[in-house]
Amino acid sequence: TQLLEQSPQFLSIQEGENLTVYCNSSSVFSSLQWYRQEPGEGPVLLVTVVTGGEVKKLKRLTFQFGDARKDSSLHITAAQPGDTGLYLCAGEAGGTSYGKLTFGQGTILTVHP
Amino acid sequence: ETGVTQTPRHLVMGMTNKKSLKCEQHLGHNAMYWYKQSAKKPLELMFVYNFKEQTENNSVPSRFSPECPNSSHLFLHLHTLQPEDSALYLCASSQVTGPEAFFGQGTRLTVV
Repeated sequence: TQLLEQSPQFLSIQEGENLTVYCNSSSVFSSLQWYRQEPGEGPVLLVTVVTGGEVKKLKRLTFQFGDARKDSSLHITAAQPGDTGLYLCAGEAGGTSYGKLTFGQGTILTVHP
Repeated sequence: ETGVTQTPRHLVMGMTNKKSLKCEQHLGHNAMYWYKQSAKKPLELMFVYNFKEQTENNSVPSRFSPECPNSSHLFLHLHTLQPEDSALYLCASSQVTGPEAFFGQGTRLTVV
């Protein structure tokens, strides 16, 4: 069974601070995705990374896929209250597991004004 | 119109009731999924349908019964549920080859 460990589980910071969320596994994934979920809503896809060592940027968010495709990180620069939410990483094993995502337990981020 | 629409958004049902959750996707995808999201647990994949055919049943109890009449619609029929089945049920769709899944807003189910 593939597992994804996300850390930290909770993060409470002030507006303007930087933060990093980690997603780690002992398994190799063909791709890894990051989602953001607000209370009472479904997860919204932020980014997909597929190549080991890949770095993608989305405004103030930087996503990195580990060289061995077993881990990923999400870095937010100058966090804003609008960044508050649950951040989820999800890995796809590929092969016959196309489309079947294994999720981490999530990081609840609160950004205070 | 959102890409993946779920109804109802909220549902309260007794343990002896029968109800159904509905999901519709307008993204032209050919795979659809049911996930369960409980407090303090990761999202759990329940069922996978590729081209209307069920390809995965992740050891889900038979009181949950999925139905996929076509590639755009997915149902989850519920009967004789238990209070521990209370959760947010999420529908998602993607291309069969993945990897990007797009989620609906979910149905918040409470079993009393």
